[in-house]
Amino acid sequence: AQSVTQLGSHVSVSEGALVLLRCNYSSSVPPYLFWYVQYPNQGLQLLLKYTSAATLVKGINGFEAEFKKSETSFHLTKPSAHMSDAAEYFCAVRLSTGNQFYFGTGTSLTVIP
Amino acid sequence: DTAVSQTPKYLVTQMGNDKSIKCEQNLGHDTMYWYKQDSKKFLKIMFSYNNKELIINETVPNRFSPKSPDKAHLNLHINSLELGDSAVYFCASSQGEWGSGYTFGSGTRLTVV
Repeated sequence: AQSVTQLGSHVSVSEGALVLLRCNYSSSVPPYLFWYVQYPNQGLQLLLKYTSAATLVKGINGFEAEFKKSETSFHLTKPSAHMSDAAEYFCAVRLSTGNQFYFGTGTSLTVIP
Repeated sequence: DTAVSQTPKYLVTQMGNDKSIKCEQNLGHDTMYWYKQDSKKFLKIMFSYNNKELIINETVPNRFSPKSPDKAHLNLHINSLELGDSAVYFCASSQGEWGSGYTFGSGTRLTVV
């Protein structure tokens, strides 16, 4: 079975502090991995994706994520949090053998002034 | 131009009614999806259509039925609405390449009273 686990349903950081949102996947084959962001009352927007090229992926708004096969992880980071980063973040995995995405349960990021 | 558009954005209706949510994408994508997001932000796939063929149908009540008149549209019909159907419904689309992400609509907030 394939799944995505996001550790921490709520994360709070101070403005200017490092953001680290954790995502682990379980898959028998290297998957394609994604991070999406959902701002209040909006749809999901693609932040970045890993598709078996470089293991360090840079996305929009200063976010990046590193694929670590040995740890089956794809954690999302941003060096300095901004108030506008407050949102819900979803990690997702898509296998190379199908169209279906598997979403994590989401992590709500709060940025404290 | 909105890439994936859903209508209506908000829908309030009584139990037992039948309602439809429309979705259109102008990206030329070949696959469209419907997701349900519950009050805890959990995303659950309901359906997907690829070239007018249903390729995913999770354990969704048969009161829900997708209808795709063409590749650019995937509408969701719901019969005999129940209180538990209250949620945000997202339409999404993707192109067939395995590394592609989804493009989401902005969601339809359905409230059954």
